[in-house]
Amino acid sequence: AQKVTQAQTEISVVEKEDVTLDCVYETRDTTYYLFWYKQPPSGELVFLIRRNSFDEQNEISGRYSWNFQKSTSSFNFTITASQVVDSAVYFCALSEGDDKIIFGKGTRLHILP
Amino acid sequence: DAMVIQNPRYQVTQFGKPVTLSCSQTLNHNVMYWYQQKSSQAPKLLFHYYDKDFNNEADTPDNFQSRRPNTSFCFLDIRSPGLGDAAMYLCATSRRLDTQYFGPGTRLTVL
Repeated sequence: AQKVTQAQTEISVVEKEDVTLDCVYETRDTTYYLFWYKQPPSGELVFLIRRNSFDEQNEISGRYSWNFQKSTSSFNFTITASQVVDSAVYFCALSEGDDKIIFGKGTRLHILP
Repeated sequence: DAMVIQNPRYQVTQFGKPVTLSCSQTLNHNVMYWYQQKSSQAPKLLFHYYDKDFNNEADTPDNFQSRRPNTSFCFLDIRSPGLGDAAMYLCATSRRLDTQYFGPGTRLTVL
């Protein structure tokens, strides 16, 4: 069973629009960690955020915000006022308390000028 | 700046010719990982080290080997590359049970 689902394979929006990337996860553990990584065309995976299962507070970092809802097993990522430099593949990931992380299949985001 | 470094960034090899990819880190993390990422796919974990303790994924082909001579360095050896091994290879490091930080990757081409 897929443990991290990113249903949106590809999204295109016009610059300055807001966009939300969805992530739904599945785990039976009570302690777990959720991540978002950005992969620009250069290929490097850039860490954006880590959230533990006991902290449901939403997080805002500049134009980026994350909404964690345990009730729906979701950890969605919103970019406000998108910019062309936000174009990348975004991966949501889950760690169940060991050294490994489980990636979703990624969402390719195109920001059109 | 503390970082994860991978060399080379681009590697071209011939079918069946052994190749070694290198990863080094200045973060002093005790866990190091090697991932394979093919086009339009998520990274796939090949193996990881916790200190010198090697952990191989069950579906990692025998063709892939790894060495970690010290805390800072980790190598990926592909003994006989096939066309299907062409991919981006990503190295990552972390403290135990903590966030993984990735290097820039090595793009491997097999001719």
